[in-house]
Amino acid sequence: DAGVIQSPRHEVTEMGQEVTLRCKPISGHNSLFWYRQTMMRGLELLIYFNNNVPIDDSGMPEDRFSAKMPNASFSTLKIQPSEPRDSAVYFCASSFSATAFQELFFGEGSRLTVL
Amino acid sequence: RKEVEQDPGPFNVPEGATVAFNCTYSNSASQSFFWYRQDCRKEPKLLMSVYSSGNEDGRFTAQLNRASQYISLLIRDSKLSDSATYLCVVPPSGGSYIPTFGRGTSLIVHP
Repeated sequence: DAGVIQSPRHEVTEMGQEVTLRCKPISGHNSLFWYRQTMMRGLELLIYFNNNVPIDDSGMPEDRFSAKMPNASFSTLKIQPSEPRDSAVYFCASSFSATAFQELFFGEGSRLTVL
Repeated sequence: RKEVEQDPGPFNVPEGATVAFNCTYSNSASQSFFWYRQDCRKEPKLLMSVYSSGNEDGRFTAQLNRASQYISLLIRDSKLSDSATYLCVVPPSGGSYIPTFGRGTSLIVHP
């Protein structure tokens, strides 16, 4: 079975450019999480979707960040305009959450470098 | 107290050693916990679940101390391949489905 699929795996861009990260969760999972990981701050939750609806976006740094989940099999995280401090590894994770927390399955991550 | 706290390490041990590290949590209502393993430049993956009775899987043992609000991970007979970061995860509570990840403990096993 395919796991969580993220693209691109690596992105190098210049400050001010728009960046779009993509995620395909595991089929049948109804929860999707976007995380950002840096050495300084560890793993930070950016936004959480349940049944395609954003439930908690309190971790989104600022208005430059936006996330969408138009259907159960696709989500995007967009940064516009990008800044060097956005350089990090962005992970997408999915799970099946019914009555209790279940295991999170992570994608391989998108490593973003903003010059 | 922070929601989840871990000693970042690194724990530097020789092959064959036994090593243990703890994770403290603040939410006394939490029922089950998880240890994730993250290899360098890879994604986190579930290592073990931890329930009140503890859990053992080969060389790995996870325990829960509810009174003191910490969970532990014990690794016996360390292998070079055990070198990784171990993340403690506390499940959500109060109707939320958002788990809390610790910053992780780095383990380096050397020859």
